[in-house]
Amino acid sequence: EVQLVESGGGVVQPGGSLRLSCAASGFTFDDYDMHWVRQAPGKGLEWVSLISGDGSKTSYADSVKGRFTISRDNIKNSLYLQMTSLTTEDTALYYCAKVATIFGVVLNYFDFWGQGTLVTVSS
Amino acid sequence: NFMLTQPLSVSESPGKTVTISCTRTSGSIASNYVQWYQQRPGSSPTIVIFQDSQRPSGVPDRFSGSIDISSNSASLAISGLKTEDEADYYCQSYDRSLWVFGGGTKLTVL
Repeated sequence: EVQLVESGGGVVQPGGSLRLSCAASGFTFDDYDMHWVRQAPGKGLEWVSLISGDGSKTSYADSVKGRFTISRDNIKNSLYLQMTSLTTEDTALYYCAKVATIFGVVLNYFDFWGQGTLVTVSS
Repeated sequence: NFMLTQPLSVSESPGKTVTISCTRTSGSIASNYVQWYQQRPGSSPTIVIFQDSQRPSGVPDRFSGSIDISSNSASLAISGLKTEDEADYYCQSYDRSLWVFGGGTKLTVL
């Protein structure tokens, strides 16, 4: 059974940093691209970042580029999001999500999501 | 970068059919596949349509997707509405390595 469990959220002051983690199980982790998606309270989904299965390719939304860094540890089956220079606009529930792949072909949609970890940026 | 525009809300009665639109602001809607996710309150999103019109296993055939090149939009149709369909629905697409979600549409089944 695929499981994605996020952790690391909390309350942080503006300008602060936080590192989110996502523990994956139930699938061959390094075979799959992984993403972070966030959802501000009462708002819609916002794509944040992606990383390829081998970690060689990353991409970021303009809203977080230069402040957030996505990484993964394929030995520990874990995905990370290092967030710096946080602002109140980064307050959100952060989900990690797995990209669907069939026979090695990336299908460009999310087939599994975690439950999310809440980040609150407040003074 | 492009955006995906959805109506804020739609409502319809049980048993009826509702359609939710998703308009791409720049570039062709046919350039990259469109996906649709359902998110019930307090839950993570789940996929209901991928690659414009494909239904994952377990999703009822009441859900269908399509694209219209003339309006540069995608649509999610839900027929035989049930109260359990009440949720937020998001379209999603991508361009190279940038992924985009629509703003979401709240479906009320009344």
